Amino acid sequence: DSGVTQTPKHLITATGQRVTLRCSPRSGDLSVYWYQQSLDQGLQFLIQYYNGEERAKGNILERFSAQQFPDLHSELNLSSLELGDSALYFCASSAGPAKGDTQYFGPGTRLTVL
Amino acid sequence: AQKITQTQPGMFVQEKEAVTLDCTYDTSDPSYGLFWYKQPSSGEMIFLIYQGSYDQQNATEGRYSLNFQKARKSANLVISASQLGDSAMYFCAMAATEGGSYIPTFGRGTSLIVHP
Repeated sequence: DSGVTQTPKHLITATGQRVTLRCSPRSGDLSVYWYQQSLDQGLQFLIQYYNGEERAKGNILERFSAQQFPDLHSELNLSSLELGDSALYFCASSAGPAKGDTQYFGPGTRLTVL
Repeated sequence: AQKITQTQPGMFVQEKEAVTLDCTYDTSDPSYGLFWYKQPSSGEMIFLIYQGSYDQQNATEGRYSLNFQKARKSANLVISASQLGDSAMYFCAMAATEGGSYIPTFGRGTSLIVHP
């Protein structure tokens, strides 16, 4: 158990809908990262938050947004869902954004868009 | 730009034998970190081992060791005494501060199957 929690574990929804994925980092970790894992794209970095502020942005679509709250939990919002958004979404946390910081991953949320 | 390459899509090993999973990387940053993660069929990503670019010795964690060859830009994972539970996908990742942020780039992974 990495100490990172993600809910829900599975999510099935329809095209055009909006969903929210939730992540709680390990105790003491200030950085949260979101990744998308699909068969064709591999593991893709979406966005990073550090202590409530956006720190780095990767291949995140405009339909997707995220935030980190004062208690350090984070939410990833996916809207206007398309079939291609079906993937495993991971949250990871680390102590900070410093070099050498190891990311610990949550169990993931498997999103299926029908 | 950062690049990670795992050239072995699949590997097979006999139980109790050692296996090496290959990983090469490319970065212009002299300071970087190398990571290996394991993803079993259940889906979670499990951190295995870390090597810093300035670390003098190869990292080891139990049955896992990282064969770090800086000049060759390789960071191979060695699993000794393989167990059936080692069957999983293994991902190599590298993080450097190109572009101002320290975000790992992941390889496409190697599927390891351990035979009894």
